[in-house]
Amino acid sequence: NAGVTQTPKFQVLKTGQSMTLQCAQDMNHEYMSWYRQDPGMGLRLIHYSVGAGITDQGEVPNGYNVSRSTTEDFPLRLLSAAPSQTSVYFCASRGLTSYEQYFGPGTRLTVT
Amino acid sequence: AQSVAQPEDQVNVAEGNPLTVKCTYSVSGNPYLFWYVQYPNRGLQFLLKYITGDNLVKGSYGFEAEFNKSQTSFHLKKPSALVSDSALYFCAVRAPINDYKLSFGAGTTVTVRA
Repeated sequence: NAGVTQTPKFQVLKTGQSMTLQCAQDMNHEYMSWYRQDPGMGLRLIHYSVGAGITDQGEVPNGYNVSRSTTEDFPLRLLSAAPSQTSVYFCASRGLTSYEQYFGPGTRLTVT
Repeated sequence: AQSVAQPEDQVNVAEGNPLTVKCTYSVSGNPYLFWYVQYPNRGLQFLLKYITGDNLVKGSYGFEAEFNKSQTSFHLKKPSALVSDSALYFCAVRAPINDYKLSFGAGTTVTVRA
């Protein structure tokens, strides 16, 4: 199993540009989540999904969109990038009846 | 609302000495508690969890954690630290009624010196 994969690993955007961060998992997990990691703030939940076609907002959803058309994929879209979105983004997945989450390697995003 | 506090930004210990990373939590009802570790430029790796039962739980790489309900704490411990344990450690809590929401502490950087 590849586990949770994320692309790209690094990205630099200009203010106002849009882009999609990709996330995929091959463990047939129902739950998938996106977090951002900022120094001194831990990880904060952006959006999550409990299955294909079902998504909901987390703690910090503004400026981000998600969709879940398949069990495997959960892309995160930045609509109009802002410097405040400079961060490291992690995707995670979990099975419906399991407890621990599995994290991807992260995407480091810089918005100038 | 649920939350996690890790009161120490940094912990420094000598190799071979005991290592403790502190965590306190706030949640409605009985908590599900977790420790994750992050090595430089890597994702988070699961270390251990407390769901129910014995208050002392054992996890990967020789780590263990003690759940204390009266003090709402879940401190991570290792009897003899290794240089390779140097990393960023996160405590996290989930309430059973909030099945999707895992709340993380700010993290504690552990440095083990040779």
